[in-house]
Amino acid sequence: IAGITQAPTSQILAAGRRMTLRCTQDMRHNAMYWYRQDLGLGLRLIHYSNTAGTTGKGEVPDGYSVSRANTDDFPLTLASAVPSQTSVYFCASSDGDTPTDTQYFGPGTRLTVL
Amino acid sequence: GQNIDQPTEMTATEGAIVQINCTYQTSGFNGLFWYQQHAGEAPTFLSYNVLDGLEEKGRFSSFLSRSKGYSYLLLKELQMKDSASYLCAVADSNYQLIWGAGTKLIIKP
Repeated sequence: IAGITQAPTSQILAAGRRMTLRCTQDMRHNAMYWYRQDLGLGLRLIHYSNTAGTTGKGEVPDGYSVSRANTDDFPLTLASAVPSQTSVYFCASSDGDTPTDTQYFGPGTRLTVL
Repeated sequence: GQNIDQPTEMTATEGAIVQINCTYQTSGFNGLFWYQQHAGEAPTFLSYNVLDGLEEKGRFSSFLSRSKGYSYLLLKELQMKDSASYLCAVADSNYQLIWGAGTKLIIKP
């Protein structure tokens, strides 16, 4: 069982380019999340999805979009990358039966926008 | 605003005990989580407290006082592999997690 996988592991991107970070889970979890982690700051929620077909905005959604076409996949797209989006991005999932279910994290994607 | 405070860094000796504190001010409270994150890796779940008191799980224990907006993570019999960052997170009234910046724990032989 792989759990949660993310791709790519790392990426260097020119400003203005479009980029999609991929996230796939094989645990059949209902809820999925995208966070960014920056030095000196806590994890910040970008977008979330409580179940396939629904998405919601988190604390820092601007410049990012998501889709949840099925249970397993939750891609995060940067339409036009800017240097302030340089960060480590973590995808997470939870069973979602109760709102405080444990979240399981993917290995992260380290993104650098130049 | 919502705020989670933890010390930035702590140092402890192998075999000793260390207590990592977390104070919070959030709009509502639906539980407090502790996660461990080794450098360059993903956070992994350690504990969840929603009621006051101490929860013990092997070498790790977590304490919560809702009236004081305070929690601590207690690590006993420290091992070198415990060197990591420890993240405190609170579920607010909307059940969204508010995360602290984490405490980097350095274990010395």
